[in-house]
Amino acid sequence: SQKIEQNSEALNIQEGKTATLTCNYTNYSPAYLQWYRQDPGRGPVFLLLIRENEKEKRKERLKVTFDTTLKQSLFHITASQPADSATYLCALDRNNAGNMLTFGGGTRLMVKP
Amino acid sequence: NAGVTQTPKFQVLKTGQSMTLQCAQDMNHNSMYWYRQDPGMGLRLIYYSASEGTTDKGEVPNGYNVSRLNKREFSLRLESAAPSQTSVYFCASTSGTQRREQYFGPGTRLTVT
Repeated sequence: SQKIEQNSEALNIQEGKTATLTCNYTNYSPAYLQWYRQDPGRGPVFLLLIRENEKEKRKERLKVTFDTTLKQSLFHITASQPADSATYLCALDRNNAGNMLTFGGGTRLMVKP
Repeated sequence: NAGVTQTPKFQVLKTGQSMTLQCAQDMNHNSMYWYRQDPGMGLRLIYYSASEGTTDKGEVPNGYNVSRLNKREFSLRLESAAPSQTSVYFCASTSGTQRREQYFGPGTRLTVT
């Protein structure tokens, strides 16, 4: 069956360090992958989209890589700040019709000052 | 722009009661979605509407019905609520074109006793 796995344990890092979150998937051949941020009590907010033919995408302090051979995406936040503390969700497209996404369970990031 | 709005924010129902969750978007998006989010389960798709006039089942449609009232509004109805439907419900929308990111509402926290 199709599965998306994110580390369910919280990631604790020190302010200023780089946070790296992992998204692994099986039995998918997604055309693109997305990352979202979710704060407590709020809906997810889109951060980045990377397509299957792109190896890397950057936006300010964020960087996403997509390895379709390993079936893995890495999400990096450089120079992390306490304000980056949130849960980060990865999502894969189910098909290209209807733009449906399947979400991973998310990884909670805690950045300590 | 308000983005995606949802009402109500909170609701408590007794088993067997019915209710409708409302969702509206003002971004002229074609596709709309209903998700539920449970601890440890991530976001799961209930129903979606790829365009005005169409609706389709998602991953967990049992016990729910939807109506795409017009391009702006997409409602979710629980005909006979069960404790297993206690969850946080999110509505989302996307333009349905090359811009595939989804925009989420603030969520409805539903408790069924």
